[in-house]
Formats: sequence, C-alpha cells, structure tokens
Amino acid sequence: NAGVTQTPKFRILKIGQSMTLQCTQDMNHNYMYWYRQDPGMGLKLIYYSVGAGITDKGEVPNGYNVSRSTTEDFPLRLELAAPSQTSVYFCASSFSPGDFSDTQYFGPGTRLTVL
Amino acid sequence: GDSVTQMEGPVTLSEEAFLTINCTYTATGYPSLFWYVQYPGEGLQLLLKATKADDKGSNKGFEATYRKETTSFHLEKGSVQVSDSAVYFCALSDQDQGAQKLVFGQGTRLTINP
Repeated sequence: NAGVTQTPKFRILKIGQSMTLQCTQDMNHNYMYWYRQDPGMGLKLIYYSVGAGITDKGEVPNGYNVSRSTTEDFPLRLELAAPSQTSVYFCASSFSPGDFSDTQYFGPGTRLTVL
Repeated sequence: GDSVTQMEGPVTLSEEAFLTINCTYTATGYPSLFWYVQYPGEGLQLLLKATKADDKGSNKGFEATYRKETTSFHLEKGSVQVSDSAVYFCALSDQDQGAQKLVFGQGTRLTINP
C-alpha cells in the first residue's frame, strides 16, 4: 500500500492564480482531512470529509474548496491564491467512524508559496 | 474552544540524555490525546496515544500518561538517540458530529547531538 499520496510536492503560484492539490489514499478509509501548517505553528484543519459526497468546513476554510467524488480522492482547490495561503498542506485519512481515538495517516505534504 | 499548549522549542540534547516535552490541554469533554512525530521531509505519523484518564501510551521507548487532574500529557524518553531528532506534536481529538477533529499544539523541534 502506498498509504496517502499528495501531488505536487512543491509549487510556486502568483497572486490570483488557482490550483488544485491532489490527495489519494489506498486504505479504503472513510474519513479524509486537509490541514495547513504555518511556520512554527501546529496544523490547522481546513476541510474534512466523512465519505464520498460529504464534506464540511474545519477551522480555517476561507479561500479553499473541496470535493469528494470517490472514497480514494480528496482534492483541495485554491481559487484566487493569496500570500496568506503560503504554507505546507497535509492530507490525512482515518478509518473508523465514531472512534475518536483513531489514528490519522498523513501524506508527505505539499509546500506552496504564493508570490 | 479546545486547545493544546506545548513547551517552547527548539530543544537540543546529547545522545542518551533524558527527554521531557511538556504538553497541557484545555477541553470541555473527555478527549483522546496523541503525540505525533514529523521526521525531516516527511508527513506526521502517530507516536503514541491515550484514550482516558491515567492511561499510559508508549512506543519506541517514548511514554506519556493522560493526567486529567493536571490536564497534561507530557512526553518522556529515558535515553534519546540521534534518530529521535524530529518535530513532536501533541494533539487532542475533538468530538464533533461523527468526525474526529485533531487540535494540535505548535510543535517542538528536538535535535539530538552525538
């Protein structure tokens, strides 16, 4: 199993451009998450999904959109990139509905710079 | 809302030294508590967890005990190695509408010198 994979690894965007960060998991997990990690800070939840077709906002959703058309994929869309979105983005997944002690499995991250 | 506070870093130790990284939390319910580790260039991975008061999580020589009375979950290791150099995150699991939402501390960068 590859686990959670993310593409691209690095990206530089100009202000106002748009892009999609890809996330795929091959563990048949129901739950998927997007986090951002700013320098010297912990991770903050952007969006999450409890299954195909179901998504909801996390702590910092502004400027982002998500979709979940399949169990495996959970892309994150930036429509109008801003310098404040410069960050490292992590996708994660977990299996057990209702198990709040479940382990989340993280991808390697995408480092995004907006200039 | 819920929050997690970790000791400020970075922390630099010599090999075989004793390690403590402090973590305290604020939560309205009864969260599960976690330590995640991030090695250079990689994503986070679970190090250990505890689900209720007085539980001790342990893995790879690391331990942490869920202390409800002091709202703490300090990470300890008796003898650190160079390979333990990484960033360590304390987190709690917030229960909300069937989804597990993790709330993270700011992370503590640990460097072990040979």
